[in-house]
Amino acid sequence: GAVVSQHPSWVICKSGTSVKIECRSLDFQATTMFWYRQFPKQSLMLMATSNEGSKATYEQGVEKDKFLINHASLTLSTLTVTSAHPEDSSFYICSGGKGPLGSSYEQYFGPGTRLTVT
Amino acid sequence: DAKTTQPTSMDCAEGRAANLPCNHSTISGNEYVYWYRQIHSQGPQYIIHGLKNNETNEMASLIITEDRKSSTLILPHATLRDTAVYYCIVRVIGDMRFGAGTRLTVKP
Repeated sequence: GAVVSQHPSWVICKSGTSVKIECRSLDFQATTMFWYRQFPKQSLMLMATSNEGSKATYEQGVEKDKFLINHASLTLSTLTVTSAHPEDSSFYICSGGKGPLGSSYEQYFGPGTRLTVT
Repeated sequence: DAKTTQPTSMDCAEGRAANLPCNHSTISGNEYVYWYRQIHSQGPQYIIHGLKNNETNEMASLIITEDRKSSTLILPHATLRDTAVYYCIVRVIGDMRFGAGTRLTVKP
């Protein structure tokens, strides 16, 4: 398989501050990167999709001005939660797509970042 | 996208085969069947995927019915570490969208 890392693995921040989460594909170039959010006892919800050098595409209901995504290279994407509030507390997971769409396409996930906003 | 239906939970005895079913009756011809699993508080782990033929790798086997309306993930010799939520996803384009999945509990 392929490896995706996230940093930090957990973070606690105060309400109103901004938090940046990094996602790196360590041994492959991710043509596309994805950001998900998971609340306790719920499934993963796709937040946005980004391609290197392009603006991210956000899912309906996800505020693009609050969740800033930068995809600077084929191995690095960042998610910045701006003006965080307690309701933003969640498990944030990124993933990278490897290979062309079709039989050889695989998507690998990072270990997740647990954000707690106090 | 095709909708998938999975049982909410299943139990399996350690050492036995775990067979996890998934219904995807509205699957279209160019959609792949992917399986991922998520162990508590970790990111999802890719298991296997297929289009129409059965597939096998070091982790599992994927059996897809001839009409492609359902599939079964088989873990041949389940261990306690296989306890997780298993997700069946049907997609043609890249982004994986997760349903509720099946919570598999492997018991000693």
